[in-house]
Amino acid sequence: AQKITQTQPGMFVQEKEAVTLDCTYDTSDQSYGLFWYKQPSSGEMIFLIYQGSYDEQNATEGRYSLNFQKARKSANLVISASQLGDSAMYFCAMRGETSGSRLTFGEGTQLTVNP
Amino acid sequence: NAGVTQTPKFQVLKTGQSMTLQCAQDMNHEYMSWYRQDPGMGLRLIHYSVGAGITDQGEVPNGYNVSRSTTEDFPLRLLSAAPSQTSVYFCASSSYRGQPKAFFGQGTRLTVV
Repeated sequence: AQKITQTQPGMFVQEKEAVTLDCTYDTSDQSYGLFWYKQPSSGEMIFLIYQGSYDEQNATEGRYSLNFQKARKSANLVISASQLGDSAMYFCAMRGETSGSRLTFGEGTQLTVNP
Repeated sequence: NAGVTQTPKFQVLKTGQSMTLQCAQDMNHEYMSWYRQDPGMGLRLIHYSVGAGITDQGEVPNGYNVSRSTTEDFPLRLLSAAPSQTSVYFCASSSYRGQPKAFFGQGTRLTVV
């Protein structure tokens, strides 16, 4: 079984500052992938970033980076230089070698960027 | 690129009615899934398919049926709608080749009264 825990129901950040959204996971799979998705108020699910369990470097995609600490089973999302458009719900998710295509999601973190 | 197309976007049903949520993808993905999203619970897997003719249950399958007769289509059927099925439904597709990310449809907001 796989489990994703997001302990921050809500986060606030000032525009242009950096923010870290926490995600911890639990799995017995040796090979797995971790994902972050953004869900704005319009409701669609937008893929942000992916980290494979065997990737040696932390993933980065523009202003998004994933702080992957395998021993601690954490996969925190870092958003640099926050923008008002970053206000949204953020979901951490994973899939493992035993779950195939099936994703397990956390409960999400609602991020609000203040001007 | 159409990606994953879900219809309808909104639906109101009366308790006991049945309906089908449609999902189609044009990326030739092997994997397709249905999730429901409820407040404070993230997305939970209802049913999934690893290819045409193959389906399996996810975490919350009761009250739903699926079939996968083609690679492109993966409809979700509500057999007898209940208020507990009021939710936002997402269809997703992905491939075991190339990018690992799942592509999501725009979602269907379903209300059962």
